Amino acid sequence: SQKIEQNSEALNIQEGKTATLTCNYTNYSPAYLQWYRQDPGRGPVFLLLIRENEKEKRKERLKVTFDTTLKQSLFHITASQPADSATYLCALISGSARQLTFGSGTQLTVLP
Amino acid sequence: NAGVTQTPKFQVLKTGQSMTLQCAQDMNHEYMSWYRQDPGMGLRLIHYSVGAGITDQGEVPNGYNVSRSTTEDFPLRLLSAAPSQTSVYFCASSSRGRGTEAFFGQGTRLTVV
Repeated sequence: SQKIEQNSEALNIQEGKTATLTCNYTNYSPAYLQWYRQDPGRGPVFLLLIRENEKEKRKERLKVTFDTTLKQSLFHITASQPADSATYLCALISGSARQLTFGSGTQLTVLP
Repeated sequence: NAGVTQTPKFQVLKTGQSMTLQCAQDMNHEYMSWYRQDPGMGLRLIHYSVGAGITDQGEVPNGYNVSRSTTEDFPLRLLSAAPSQTSVYFCASSSRGRGTEAFFGQGTRLTVV
């Protein structure tokens, strides 16, 4: 069956360190992979998109990698800050579909 | 810029009652969708629409109806509320083209007692 797994439900890191979040998928052939940030009581907010033929994408302190052989995306936040504390969701779009399929998210806490 | 507006923000229903969750977007987006979010389950797609007059089912459509009479509005109807429908509901919209970012509303927290 199709499955999207994000690493541990919660991740705590020290301010200034690099946070690395993992998104693994099985039985998908995603054409696109997106990452969203969700704060408590709010809707998800789009961060980055990476296409199947792209290995890496960067935006300011954010970096996303996409390995279709390993069926994995890594999401990095460098020089993390307490304001980066939130839940991060990965989402796939596969085949000819338009719909997003989401992972369950990783709750990141950056400790001062 | 309002973006995607959902009403109400909170709602308590009794089992068997019906209600409509409202969703409106002002970005002229063709694609709209409804998700529910439950602890540990992530966002699951209920129904979606690729344009006015066109709707389709997502992963968990049972107990919900939708219609899309205008580009702007995409209401979600609960026909006969059940405790299993207690959840947070999000509406999202995106423009034409695959892979484009989705814009989400603030959510509706629904409790069915």
